[in-house]
Amino acid sequence: SQTIHQWPATLVQPVGSPLSLECTVEGTSNPNLYWYRQAAGRGLQLLFYSVGIGQISSEVPQNLSASRPQDRQFILSSKKLLLSDSGFYLCAWTPGTGMNNQPQHFGDGTRLSIL
Amino acid sequence: AQSVTQLGSHVSVSEGALVLLRCNYSSSVPPYLFWYVQYPNQGLQLLLKYTSAATLVKGINGFEAEFKKSETSFHLTKPSAHMSDAAEYFCAVSDPTGTYKYIFGTGTRLKVLA
Repeated sequence: SQTIHQWPATLVQPVGSPLSLECTVEGTSNPNLYWYRQAAGRGLQLLFYSVGIGQISSEVPQNLSASRPQDRQFILSSKKLLLSDSGFYLCAWTPGTGMNNQPQHFGDGTRLSIL
Repeated sequence: AQSVTQLGSHVSVSEGALVLLRCNYSSSVPPYLFWYVQYPNQGLQLLLKYTSAATLVKGINGFEAEFKKSETSFHLTKPSAHMSDAAEYFCAVSDPTGTYKYIFGTGTRLKVLA
């Protein structure tokens, strides 16, 4: 069966510090991968998605970036965190079938607090 | 462009009462639709999905939803609420024409009163 892992579960960082959040998927090949940020009362904001190694689509211009160095690994990064980067970050995957009639499968999320 | 509207950011029901959570979508073509549930500090879990088969879709935990094209709606219902149903619920739509994106509503927080 497929599983998705996200870490860390919680993170407290000072303003201006770098960030690296990691997401890995097991039990499938060539998944589509997604990073979302969730703010209270505002639903899920799609940040990045990837349909293959090295292929990243950015949805929102900001000081975050994403990379996909391996087929089942998706990393969210920042060089300098802002207060506005606080939130709950979720990674998700879908089968890379070329059709999006499949539901997304989510990790347990990372709670990021910027001080 | 696809969009999803969830009416009511907070809904309260008594235990044993009917649960009705509303979702309306905007799409130029019939979309694929999903309902998810989220418990505090957890990821989203799929409740059910509509992918152009039967218009009445049954999901986990006794939930079901009906796709109504004429009303562009996909409301989520459960005949009898349990305390364990207290959570946040999200409706989502994907674009059947080929992009890989999913659009989420802003969520409805369900409170179940004893």
